[in-house]
Amino acid sequence: GEDVEQSLFLSVREGDSSVINCTYTDSSSTYLYWYKQEPGAGLQLLTYIFSNMDMKQDQRLTVLLNKKDKHLSLRIADTQTGDSAIYFCGSRGFQKLVFGTGTRLLVSP
Amino acid sequence: DVKVTQSSRYLVKRTGEKVFLECVQDMDHENMFWYRQDPGLGLRLIYFSYDVKMKEKGDIPEGYSVSREKKERFSLILESASTNQTSMYLCASSPRGPATNEKLFFGSGTQLSVL
Repeated sequence: GEDVEQSLFLSVREGDSSVINCTYTDSSSTYLYWYKQEPGAGLQLLTYIFSNMDMKQDQRLTVLLNKKDKHLSLRIADTQTGDSAIYFCGSRGFQKLVFGTGTRLLVSP
Repeated sequence: DVKVTQSSRYLVKRTGEKVFLECVQDMDHENMFWYRQDPGLGLRLIYFSYDVKMKEKGDIPEGYSVSREKKERFSLILESASTNQTSMYLCASSPRGPATNEKLFFGSGTQLSVL
């Protein structure tokens, strides 16, 4: 079945760039998503990319997609303490969205 | 803004009890979903519904059932709660947009503890 994998933790210093990586197995994925979950809250859509795009930039966020390797990444420039959260990658296949395990980003001052 | 409301933030139940988790959305979305979130396992889809009175099994439906009698409300039912159902339960909804574009709006979650 469809599978989405992410590393579990990432720790960075405030002001550095963060890169969160994701791999997926479903070659028919049409949209790929990044969601953010802050403590005590549900998930919130951050950004998404259509599968025929290589890159999408949205302010401090850059999404890179390597469709050949089925690899997605989220880069956060000038990471702030408010960016500390769990980040979920999502792959849109047939009928439903499949999520990865989530990467917990910890930003230290 | 879309609002997805889950009836309880925290719930404590005993093994064998029948448990109802309620979810209501206020944006006339066709699609509704129930996920459970466990550390190291991420989000796993339990059930989903694309229309009133319609339901589809997700990846882990065993031990659960759902009800969608009205468009705005999607209920998750644990027929006989067990300790391995202790988890964070997240409800989500989405509009019926283009077939391959689905942006989910999530509730804040219900942390269920089964003792």
